Amino acid sequence: SYELTQPPSVSVSPGQTATITCSGDRLGDRYACWYQQRPGQSPVLLIYQDTHRPSGIPERFSGSNSGNTATLTISGTQAMDEAEYYCQAWDSSTEVFGGGTKLTVL
Amino acid sequence: QVTLKESGPALVKPTQTLTLTCAFSGFSLSTPTMRVSWIRQPPGKALEWLARIDWDDDKFYSPSLQTRLTVSKDTSRNHVVLTMTNMDPVDTATYYCARTYNYGSGSYASDYWGQGTLVTVSS
Repeated sequence: SYELTQPPSVSVSPGQTATITCSGDRLGDRYACWYQQRPGQSPVLLIYQDTHRPSGIPERFSGSNSGNTATLTISGTQAMDEAEYYCQAWDSSTEVFGGGTKLTVL
Repeated sequence: QVTLKESGPALVKPTQTLTLTCAFSGFSLSTPTMRVSWIRQPPGKALEWLARIDWDDDKFYSPSLQTRLTVSKDTSRNHVVLTMTNMDPVDTATYYCARTYNYGSGSYASDYWGQGTLVTVSS
């Protein structure tokens, strides 16, 4: 079965750029999306179709996908961005989540 | 305004069958771009995709759980039902339903989520 791999944790200083990666075999050949989940809350869609932001998502969130890696970039990271982040992609009509990355804003 | 809400038992015994209902509003599951997915999250762990039902009644299941899962829809009542048989303590998790939107060209994403319902499996 298809697998997506994320680093368990990423740390960033306020105002700096955070990069969270998601790796999978030929991931760039399929679309990826990203979710943010704060403690005790439901996930929120941040990025769909590799690079698109839903209405209401701040411009500091951006995405890319090429080769075997999709990347979520948070520019000018804020304390409120401290959360768990999940990537997702589709494989043979089933959906796969990455294992999640805990973003800590130090 | 799109909303989804999960309901079902908070506690089930091992070997029992779990039945969860997702009541939604603000969209129609008879629209070709619409799907409803079920996702679960054990305490402190990652999201795990379980199943999806599409507008045309196509159904898809996690390969590792497909023998235990059934998903169905009642379009007129705006409900989707998930059943999971032979429950085990490892199935203890928060269960979410989510609207999954087809953006075209094989691109999907779950853009609205319910609040989730915690199901504990214990005797």
